[in-house]
Amino acid sequence: AQSVTQPDIHITVSEGASLELRCNYSYGATPYLFWYVQSPGQGLQLLLKYFSGDTLVQGIKGFEAEFKRSQSSFNLRKPSVHWSDAAGYFCAVANSGGSNYKLTFGKGTLLTVNP
Amino acid sequence: DGGITQSPKYLFRKEGQNVTLSCEQNLNHDAMYWYRQDPGQGLRLIYYSQIVNDFQKGDIAEGYSVSREKKESFPLTVTSAQKNPTAFYLCASSIVMEQGFYNEQFFGPGTRLTVL
Repeated sequence: AQSVTQPDIHITVSEGASLELRCNYSYGATPYLFWYVQSPGQGLQLLLKYFSGDTLVQGIKGFEAEFKRSQSSFNLRKPSVHWSDAAGYFCAVANSGGSNYKLTFGKGTLLTVNP
Repeated sequence: DGGITQSPKYLFRKEGQNVTLSCEQNLNHDAMYWYRQDPGQGLRLIYYSQIVNDFQKGDIAEGYSVSREKKESFPLTVTSAQKNPTAFYLCASSIVMEQGFYNEQFFGPGTRLTVL
C-alpha cells in the first residue's frame, strides 16, 4: 500500500529565509505526487504536482519541488519565505496505474514564519 | 465562479444525533470525495463517488453514510454510530480518472463539526 511520510511536524523559519519541507513516499511504481497548502480553518489548495517528465516542478506562490526516485522523495522548496506562507503543508501520492482514485496524504508540516 | 461549496462552516450537535454536511460543486466534475481531518493529522478518506448513484467506502467509512443523487451534490451524514465525530470535514471533487491518468482533486473550504 502506498504511504507518505512528512518527518517534520513543525518548522519555524524567519521571513526571507529559504525553506525546504521533506516528503518521502512508499509506492512500487512511479507515483503521481502533489503538494497542497492549507491555511488555518480552510480547505486545501494545490501548490504543484508531478506526473512525469522533468523532475523539478514549479508551482504557484514561488514554490518548487524535486522528485528524486532514488530517495523516494518529493521535497518542497522556496528560496525566500514570506509571512503569508505560514500554513500547513501536505504531501500526497496517488496511484499512477489503473483506475485507482486513491490519494494518500502525509500528516503535514506546520510552517511558522517569524518576522 | 466555479468551485466547491460546503455548508455550514461550523456545526454543533448533541451526542447521539445524526447530522448531514452539505457539499455542492459547479465544476462539472464526475468524482466527489469526503475526507476527515483531525488535529495534527493528514486527511483520511471516508467515501468517494465517481458517478451519480454510485459510491464506495474509503478508509474510515464506519459511522458515516452518503448519497449521490445529483452530479453536483454529495452530502455526508455523520450518524450516531460514529464514535468520535468531532473533526474538520473536507469535500473534494475531480474529473474521473482514466486508465493511467490522474486528475488532481479540488477542495472545498470545510465544515468543522463539534459534537457536545
